[in-house]
Amino acid sequence: DAGVTQSPTHLIKTRGQQVTLRCSPKSGHDTVSWYQQALGQGPQFIFQYYEEEERQRGNFPDRFSGHQFPNYSSELNVNALLLGDSALYLCASSLGPGRDTIYFGEGSWLTVV
Amino acid sequence: SQQGEEDPQALSIQEGENATMNCSYKTSINNLQWYRQNSGRGLVHLILIRSNEREKHSGRLRVTLDTSKKSSSLLITASRAADTASYFCVTNAGGTSYGKLTFGQGTILTVHP
Repeated sequence: DAGVTQSPTHLIKTRGQQVTLRCSPKSGHDTVSWYQQALGQGPQFIFQYYEEEERQRGNFPDRFSGHQFPNYSSELNVNALLLGDSALYLCASSLGPGRDTIYFGEGSWLTVV
Repeated sequence: SQQGEEDPQALSIQEGENATMNCSYKTSINNLQWYRQNSGRGLVHLILIRSNEREKHSGRLRVTLDTSKKSSSLLITASRAADTASYFCVTNAGGTSYGKLTFGQGTILTVHP
């Protein structure tokens, strides 16, 4: 039973570019959430997708957008990258948006130079 | 913004000793969870305690919750070198924010063999 898988594992982008990160939820899960974790900090909630719609959003600018596909996989897009966007981006999945426990992937390390 | 604050920020102990981490939070919660993260990778759920519970055990883990003081503690007994990781206190406000987890900044635990 595959857990939450994310790609790519690491990537380097230049300031001003755009990036797309991908996530496949745990088998059977239909809800995906994205978190940003800066070095030395705890993860910060970006948004949650369920039934292909954004259900909740954290305090992140519109440069951060997402999408959920019919197979429940999800993408996180960040436009006009800033140096401060350098972080570990974590995807988490659950069966339904109201679950207490969610399962995290290993994350995608983004470095903006 | 961070909801919880863990104390201490870093803890260094010898194998076999007990490790205690504390967490304080600011707003009302539906439940509180502790997660573990190894070397900046994915997060692993350890234990969940609901707002109407005061103590919970799971293997070598013991969690307490005091909602009047808005605080929680995680005790790891008979620690092992493999317990070396960052530990996060995570709150779930419930209601319309259900599924949006709020993380503290974490406690870095180092267990020396």
